[in-house]
Amino acid sequence: NAGVTQTPKFRVLKTGQSMTLLCAQDMNHEYMYWYRQDPGMGLRLIHYSVGEGTTAKGEVPDGYNVSRLKKQNFLLGLESAAPSQTSVYFCASRQDRGADTQYFGPGTRLTVL
Amino acid sequence: GQNIDQPTEMTATEGAIVQINCTYQTSGFNGLFWYQQHAGEAPTFLSYNVLDGLEEKGRFSSFLSRSKGYSYLLLKELQMKDSASYLCAVSGSNDYKLSFGAGTTVTVRA
Repeated sequence: NAGVTQTPKFRVLKTGQSMTLLCAQDMNHEYMYWYRQDPGMGLRLIHYSVGEGTTAKGEVPDGYNVSRLKKQNFLLGLESAAPSQTSVYFCASRQDRGADTQYFGPGTRLTVL
Repeated sequence: GQNIDQPTEMTATEGAIVQINCTYQTSGFNGLFWYQQHAGEAPTFLSYNVLDGLEEKGRFSSFLSRSKGYSYLLLKELQMKDSASYLCAVSGSNDYKLSFGAGTTVTVRA
């Protein structure tokens, strides 16, 4: 039982390049989330999904797209990377609302030059 | 919108007690979570409060007052391994998602 995994762990991009971050969970959770974490700003929600085939915008969605084609996977895409997207990205999953906590992946450290 | 405030940094001595406050203003309320995050690692769940009062889990306790929009996390018998960032997160009217405070970095000194 691996929990929540993220690929890759580190990546360096040049401005304008594109990439996809993969999040996978093996807990059969319904809800999945993508956050970015920047110094002094805490975790900010980018996009989230409440079930397979659904996605919704979070607090800071601009410049990102997501897809949830399979229940266990949640992909985050950057079509044209910008230096402002340099951050640590965390994926999380959650079985239900209420008292159910979110389980976080180990994070992806992305640098855009 | 959501507004969640917590102190940026706190320092305490090994064996002491530290209280981390969190105040929130949210549209609706469906619970408050505390997470611990060590440097370079993912956040991990510590506690959940949805009703007023104190929840105790070993050396850690969390308190909630819904009428005051206030919570605190109490860390007792501090150990060096408790040096970490502590995140307050609120589930508001849209209880599919959480809104996080910026986190409080606690440094435990010998």
